[in-house]
Amino acid sequence: DAGVIQSPRHEVTEMGQEVTLRCKPISGHDYLFWYRQTMMRGLELLIYFNNNVPIDDSGMPEDRFSAKMPNASFSTLKIQPSEPRDSAVYFCASSGEPGVPYEQYFGPGTRLTVT
Amino acid sequence: QKEVEQNSGPLSVPEGAIASLNCTYSDRGSQSFFWYRQYSGKSPELIMSIYSNGDKEDGRFTAQLNKASQYVSLLIRDSQPSDSATYLCAVHSGGYQKVTFGTGTKLQVIP
Repeated sequence: DAGVIQSPRHEVTEMGQEVTLRCKPISGHDYLFWYRQTMMRGLELLIYFNNNVPIDDSGMPEDRFSAKMPNASFSTLKIQPSEPRDSAVYFCASSGEPGVPYEQYFGPGTRLTVT
Repeated sequence: QKEVEQNSGPLSVPEGAIASLNCTYSDRGSQSFFWYRQYSGKSPELIMSIYSNGDKEDGRFTAQLNKASQYVSLLIRDSQPSDSATYLCAVHSGGYQKVTFGTGTKLQVIP
């Protein structure tokens, strides 16, 4: 398997613009997680899905952030409008490997810079 | 009180020595524990999982779990410069598959 795939790998945008991050989980995994990582706050869970249904979005910082999972192989995280404080690395992870519950596998991340 | 606590480091050890990384957690009902390694500019990589009290060995890595003390550790034997990274402790405390990550310990192995 190719692992978790994320795109783009880098995104530079201006304040106020819409940003969409994409994720393809490992085939067969039924959980998908979106994280944000900064030096100051570490790794923060934003939202996670089970079988395409959002389970917990309490980590989403504000209404400017939204996430969708239209099918088992694709999810998006959207920021609209973006602000400089949204600059971070955003990771997608998936889990659900039979026999090894809770083990999460991370994608390479998207480094977002908002100027 | 943070749910998962780690010393941020850096922890510096000479090449060939044993590196000991520690993690404490607050939820006594936690059942599953993980260690991730994160190289600078890369994503976290799962290196060890442990579910039962005691030791679990995988090559140069040993995870140790003590649920009574709410303590999990990672030992790296014969440390190599390539082990230099940030090590994240993660804990699953029940319910869905959400895990809570510590802030990580930066390890530096000095040649």
